[in-house]
Amino acid sequence: GAGVSQSPRYKVTKRGQDVTLRCDPISSHATLYWYQQALGQGPEFLTYFNYEAQPDKSGLPSDRFSAERPEGSISTLTIQRTEQRDSAMYRCASSPRGFNTEAFFGQGTRLTVV
Amino acid sequence: LAKTTQPISMDSYEGQEVNITCSHNNIATNDYITWYQQFPSQGPRFIIQGYKTKVTNEVASLFIPADRKSSTLSLPRVSLSDTAVYYCLVGDFGGAGNNRKLIWGLGTSLAVNP
Repeated sequence: GAGVSQSPRYKVTKRGQDVTLRCDPISSHATLYWYQQALGQGPEFLTYFNYEAQPDKSGLPSDRFSAERPEGSISTLTIQRTEQRDSAMYRCASSPRGFNTEAFFGQGTRLTVV
Repeated sequence: LAKTTQPISMDSYEGQEVNITCSHNNIATNDYITWYQQFPSQGPRFIIQGYKTKVTNEVASLFIPADRKSSTLSLPRVSLSDTAVYYCLVGDFGGAGNNRKLIWGLGTSLAVNP
């Protein structure tokens, strides 16, 4: 696609519910990143993919968080049993080359847990 | 892991040169230094990246001393539209290895005044 697309743009969920966020990266971009950004803070690196491989998951805040990219393109971030502290902007980015090369960010998904 | 430290905020005037310094005392040998710009309600946008000495592109310059424990983003002749948050991050570069993270700073909020 023309840019990184994330959906939904906004999500309000009740505490304890599961949510799944979607990221559609720029076509042919090998590397995909997930970040969590609290209001007024810098992005916190969660995890990344190189095509379908997920070399590092240690940035995920807890085992309630998981991410997939089964076919090396679209990715999902799932948060199980959501808690209020999970409320944040979740951003996806993709890079055409390897890790820590120029990344292109989507508009993000604003998650609010009530 | 390298930790980055930046000034919280800076003020400038249109037409002036702005220099934002980031400290990263524990930078690793394989780490690159990258700067992003973020406007309110938008995802970060790549500005520049470097490993050592000086890098220049059409919008900015990046100065990195020999010890690489700091870096300075230089924005020539800023305009009102350069008002944004600027983030410095460090992380190793390229490839697809394991246990890799990107450490973002808290960002520097730059206000450009008329």
